[in-house]
Amino acid sequence: AQTVTQSQPEMSVQEAETVTLSCTYDTSESDYYLFWYKQPPSRQMILVIRQEAYKQQNATENRFSVNFQKAAKSFSLKISDSQLGDAAMYFCAYSQGRGGGADGLTFGKGTHLIIQP
Amino acid sequence: NAGVTQTPKFQVLKTGQSMTLQCAQDMNHNSMYWYRQDPGMGLRLIYYSASEGTTDKGEVPNGYNVSRLNKREFSLRLESAAPSQTSVYFCASSEPGRSKNIQYFGAGTRLSVL
Repeated sequence: AQTVTQSQPEMSVQEAETVTLSCTYDTSESDYYLFWYKQPPSRQMILVIRQEAYKQQNATENRFSVNFQKAAKSFSLKISDSQLGDAAMYFCAYSQGRGGGADGLTFGKGTHLIIQP
Repeated sequence: NAGVTQTPKFQVLKTGQSMTLQCAQDMNHNSMYWYRQDPGMGLRLIYYSASEGTTDKGEVPNGYNVSRLNKREFSLRLESAAPSQTSVYFCASSEPGRSKNIQYFGAGTRLSVL
């Protein structure tokens, strides 16, 4: 079974600074997908960024980028120019590629990100 | 843009009562999912339906049943609620495939079992 580990229960960063959230995963598959989801206090799960394992290029979405290290099974999220609206729980998630990912996501326990004004 | 709609948003049950959580999506997705989220935990998969007419157990299926009523709707039933089922429940849907496979979530249902 796949596992996803987020070793930082809580992180704090000054507004406008850069922060990196860590995620490691364990799988025997070679084809899979990785995700970062954001959950603000509203409880809504919002996709931040998605990475396909077969793509070597790291995904980026505006101020959000990942450092995907396939051999090390590491998938960290970097948030640049942190904003107050970035304050939330962040979850790393894994989906296997077999079946197009139809059999669901495996989540880490989350990192609570605090933005200091 | 409704996306994934869950009802109800909040529910309080007594131990032993039954209830059904409803989920509907309007994105024409083939796959649908039910997760639960407990304090200090990420979401855990309860059941999923890869396509209309199929359902499969996830990581924590005990105490739950599901029905994929049609392509749009996927319900989760608690036959005899227990305090351990106090949680926040999320429904999600996705379109599997290499260039897709993004899960979209409903707003969640907060369930308390007394």
